[in-house]
Amino acid sequence: DTAVSQTPKYLVTQMGNDKSIKCEQNLGHDTMYWYKQDSKKFLKIMFSYNNKELIINETVPNRFSPKSPDKAHLNLHINSLELGDSAVYFCASSRSTSGGLETQYFGPGTRLLVL
Amino acid sequence: AQSVTQPDIHITVSEGASLELRCNYSYGATPYLFWYVQSPGQGLQLLLKYFSGDTLVQGIKGFEAEFKRSQSSFNLRKPSVHWSDAAEYFCAVGRRSQGNLIFGKGTKLSVKP
Repeated sequence: DTAVSQTPKYLVTQMGNDKSIKCEQNLGHDTMYWYKQDSKKFLKIMFSYNNKELIINETVPNRFSPKSPDKAHLNLHINSLELGDSAVYFCASSRSTSGGLETQYFGPGTRLLVL
Repeated sequence: AQSVTQPDIHITVSEGASLELRCNYSYGATPYLFWYVQSPGQGLQLLLKYFSGDTLVQGIKGFEAEFKRSQSSFNLRKPSVHWSDAAEYFCAVGRRSQGNLIFGKGTKLSVKP
């Protein structure tokens, strides 16, 4: 069974479109994250949710809106896509925030290409 | 500010040779440190982590890392590299206040036959 899954795996779209990426974890974890990996492989936190509540929102354009319908799901909706949004987006989960102590488990990533 | 530096962007080693990947961190308190590996087109897999106690940490796939507080380092080592170890390696520090990871920029490992 896949612990953290993301859909779609690949997403190619035009500038200006709106798209969503879905993430689900079956580990029973309380906390979920979205990270962005740019073309130089640099990984940076975007958002985290703990029990459906927003914990981290790191200087991300408000075109990006996370939504957590329940603690097993954290979706990422992106409005008015721009070329610079092209990246790999990773979802992750952990048992709790616990001050960075908990191991985070990563999904396989969603490769977004904006044309 | 908290940060992680991986000084080597790309390292090439011969199969069977030993490996050391460098990681330096900047963090105000006792850090929680991690090494993750990313194979091409894949997600990130945890290799090992340090929270406290013994400063030499053993991980999966024969990897180990040593925490040296005096040098603010957490270098990853493997005594004999296999071709399947070719991947991108990321060092990270756990951010206490909010629980996310701060990553270094990664080191790409290539393995020569």
